[in-house]
Amino acid sequence: AQSVAQPEDQVNVAEGNPLTVKCTYSVSGNPYLFWYVQYPNRGLQFLLKYITGDNLVKGSYGFEAEFNKSQTSFHLKKPSALVSDSALYFCAVRDILAGGYNKLIFGAGTRLAVHP
Amino acid sequence: DGGITQSPKYLFRKEGQNVTLSCEQNLNHDAMYWYRQDPGQGLRLIYYSQIVNDFQKGDIAEGYSVSREKKESFPLTVTSAQKNPTAFYLCASNMGRGTEAFFGQGTRLTVV
Repeated sequence: AQSVAQPEDQVNVAEGNPLTVKCTYSVSGNPYLFWYVQYPNRGLQFLLKYITGDNLVKGSYGFEAEFNKSQTSFHLKKPSALVSDSALYFCAVRDILAGGYNKLIFGAGTRLAVHP
Repeated sequence: DGGITQSPKYLFRKEGQNVTLSCEQNLNHDAMYWYRQDPGQGLRLIYYSQIVNDFQKGDIAEGYSVSREKKESFPLTVTSAQKNPTAFYLCASNMGRGTEAFFGQGTRLTVV
């Protein structure tokens, strides 16, 4: 079965420093990977995705993610964190179901806290 | 503006009562989904639908029901059979295979 793991419940970083939010995955076949961000009491906002191509994917708000097939990882990164980046971040992988249906499987989420 | 609209934003349910959460999208997306979010557990799939008049159970469908009579609408009913319905419910849609999903702003359901 497909799965994703986010090993850190919370990541703390100082404003202006680089940030990394970790994600590892387990899939059969080629992975379709996604990152989403959630602010309090709001829905999820799409940040970026990897389907194929360059291992470094650039997304919204200055975020990027690096796909590493050998380590089965898809870590989210940003060169310089902002206080406004503080939120809950979810990694997700696509799961193909019978009949051509597909769904997203989400990790448990990582809370990012950026301190001034 | 295109998007997904969930209503209401907050909902209170009495014991033994059925309630319906609304989800409407004007993105012309084929697929729609309902997720439940509990603290520390990420999102879990309740039901999904790829086309009108067809839907499938997700991982935690017990105590829930859905309908898909129109492409743009995918309402979720939380029945009295759902023993622990207090949660944040998120509706999403996408074009299908491999495309990113767009989410509504969520409905927070509380049992009183």
